[in-house]
Amino acid sequence: NAGVTQTPKFQVLKTGQSMTLQCAQDMNHNSMYWYRQDPGMGLRLIYYSASEGTTDKGEVPNGYNVSRLNKREFSLRLESAAPSQTSVYFCAITRTLGETQYFGPGTRLLVL
Amino acid sequence: GENVEQHPSTLSVQEGDSAVIKCTYSDSASNYFPWYKQELGKRPQLIIDIRSNVGEKKDQRIAVTLNKTAKHFSLHITETQPEDSAVYFCAPRVDGTASKLTFGTGTRLQVTL
Repeated sequence: NAGVTQTPKFQVLKTGQSMTLQCAQDMNHNSMYWYRQDPGMGLRLIYYSASEGTTDKGEVPNGYNVSRLNKREFSLRLESAAPSQTSVYFCAITRTLGETQYFGPGTRLLVL
Repeated sequence: GENVEQHPSTLSVQEGDSAVIKCTYSDSASNYFPWYKQELGKRPQLIIDIRSNVGEKKDQRIAVTLNKTAKHFSLHITETQPEDSAVYFCAPRVDGTASKLTFGTGTRLQVTL
C-alpha cells in the first residue's frame, strides 16, 4: 500500500521546456490537490480536483494545467517552464474535500 | 477567502521545555482544525486535529486547543525532544466544502540540547 506516489522525484528543466508531474494514489480517496512549496515558505494550492471529472483553480494556477485522468491519477503540466516555477511540488489527497490531507513525497523542480 | 496566520514564525526551546504555536483564522465557518509537521526534506504529515464541537484534544505529548469565539487554535508540545524539531503548519478548513484550502505560513521549531 504505497499511499500517494509522485514521479519524478527530481527534474531539471530549461526555461521554455514543458513537463508533466504525475501523482497516483491507492487509498481510493476522492479529492486530489497540487501544492507548491518555495524555500522557507508555506504550501500554496495550485489546482485541486474534488472528484473524478472535476478540477478547480487554487491560489496560484497561472502557468499550470491539470488533468484528473481517473480516480487514482492527477497530473500537473507546465507548458513553458519559467525560473519562477522552481519549487518543490506536493500532491495530496483527501477522502472528501476539507478532510485530513495525505501528501506524496514531493517532486523537486529546478528551472534554469 | 481564508486568512491564516501563525505565531511565532520561529521558536527555539531547550529539550524538556514546552512549546506553543498559535494559529489565527478569519473564516468563522471553519470547523476542522489540523496541525501538520514537516521535517527537513520530508512531506507534511498530520500530527493532531480537532473539530469545532471539541475544545481540546490530547495525544501523548501533543495537544490542540480551540477558541472558536476568538478564531484561533493552538498546538501545545510538552517535554520537547530533538525529534520535535521541524516546521509546523496549521490548515483550518470548512469540512466537506470547496472553501479556500489555505495553510498557515509555518512555524520553525528548534529543540536544543
